[in-house]
Amino acid sequence: LAKTTQPISMDSYEGQEVNITCSHNNIATNDYITWYQQFPSQGPRFIIQGYKTKVTNEVASLFIPADRKSSTLSLPRVSLSDTAVYYCLVGDMRYDYKLSFGAGTTVTVRA
Amino acid sequence: ETGVTQTPRHLVMGMTNKKSLKCEQHLGHNAMYWYKQSAKKPLELMFVYNFKEQTENNSVPSRFSPECPNSSHLFLHLHTLQPEDSALYLCASSQKSMGDTQYFGPGTRLTVL
Repeated sequence: LAKTTQPISMDSYEGQEVNITCSHNNIATNDYITWYQQFPSQGPRFIIQGYKTKVTNEVASLFIPADRKSSTLSLPRVSLSDTAVYYCLVGDMRYDYKLSFGAGTTVTVRA
Repeated sequence: ETGVTQTPRHLVMGMTNKKSLKCEQHLGHNAMYWYKQSAKKPLELMFVYNFKEQTENNSVPSRFSPECPNSSHLFLHLHTLQPEDSALYLCASSQKSMGDTQYFGPGTRLTVL
């Protein structure tokens, strides 16, 4: 599994856009990038997954540059309920089931 | 979220007790997982079951004993635990064990006295 690096924490205010960048310099050709969200004392929840360029769903957008050595999770117009830990995972979705959760990024949204 | 349920949500036990954690998934998935999340530590994969067969034991001490009677139910039997085993125990499921999105339950907060 490719090693990932993301900021430990980020602060934001309600209504702002939050962008979390994850570095994965040794990403392999067959690796996908997946983001999970975890609220305190709950299990992680799948947010979004992508391979290249841009992916958007009702929750977030994922931007992946051409070299795929990094990716950015974008949360539009955050609210207090978006306060959580966000994990970036990189792996070959054909074979990887050992999800490797690092420390994640703790996002705190303030009023 | 009712896809994956776990009971109990909270459990306090002594080191000599025997208890069991239960996980049930209502998603029709074929793979189920146990994870441990200790305070200030990343999630650690403990066990993987695929079509009721254990396919992964991530060097977990024998005081943790998993059981998977069918694809919808997963148990974690606990005996003679240590205080350092106190953690959030999470169950997850996926359609297949390779390369599928995992759906997590709410977890059981375990405290070992």
